[in-house]
Amino acid sequence: GENVEQHPSTLSVQEGDSAVIKCTYSDSASNYFPWYKQELGKGPQLIIDIRSNVGEKKDQRIAVTLNKTAKHFSLHITETQPEDSAVYFCAAGDTGRRALTFGSGTRLQVQP
Amino acid sequence: EAQVTQNPRYLITVTGKKLTVTCSQNMNHEYMSWYRQDPGLGLRQIYYSMNVEVTDKGDVPEGYKVSRKEKRNFPLILESPSPNQTSLYFCASSLSDHGTEAFFGQGTRLTVV
Repeated sequence: GENVEQHPSTLSVQEGDSAVIKCTYSDSASNYFPWYKQELGKGPQLIIDIRSNVGEKKDQRIAVTLNKTAKHFSLHITETQPEDSAVYFCAAGDTGRRALTFGSGTRLQVQP
Repeated sequence: EAQVTQNPRYLITVTGKKLTVTCSQNMNHEYMSWYRQDPGLGLRQIYYSMNVEVTDKGDVPEGYKVSRKEKRNFPLILESPSPNQTSLYFCASSLSDHGTEAFFGQGTRLTVV
């Protein structure tokens, strides 16, 4: 089955700096790669996603890149703010055929 | 407001006492699913449903049941809870595709003693 590895497990940055979280996946059939933000006491919130026919997607301060050949994808957050502090999860899936496989999460702390 | 609502948010129960965690969504989504979240193991899917009366096992279905009698509701049933089912549970939904969870509920923290 699919295996998703996520790094780093914790990340601390200064407000205004950029943050990068990386994930690798194992199943070449995976074609959907969402990212979720989970704040304390809340459920995961979908913040951005990318499909395998696209190499990069951007939404304001958040961007995701996908390298299908190397089977890795990354989340980039620019101009970080304290409210970006949360746990971020990547996931990989083969839409319509199987469930998402989640990474183990990255705890991002943005220091004011 | 688009949302997935779970109840209860917190539950402490004893081994063997049947319980149900409810999940409801107001977006007319066809696809709904249940996950459990455990430290170091991340989120793992328990069951999913593609539509009314259509359910299937996820990655960790043992000890759980589900039903989908109405489109908006997808309850999770633990017929005989055991301590290893102590976990944080999330319901999720999306418009149609299996494996594209777009909205998650707030979570239900279950403790089985």
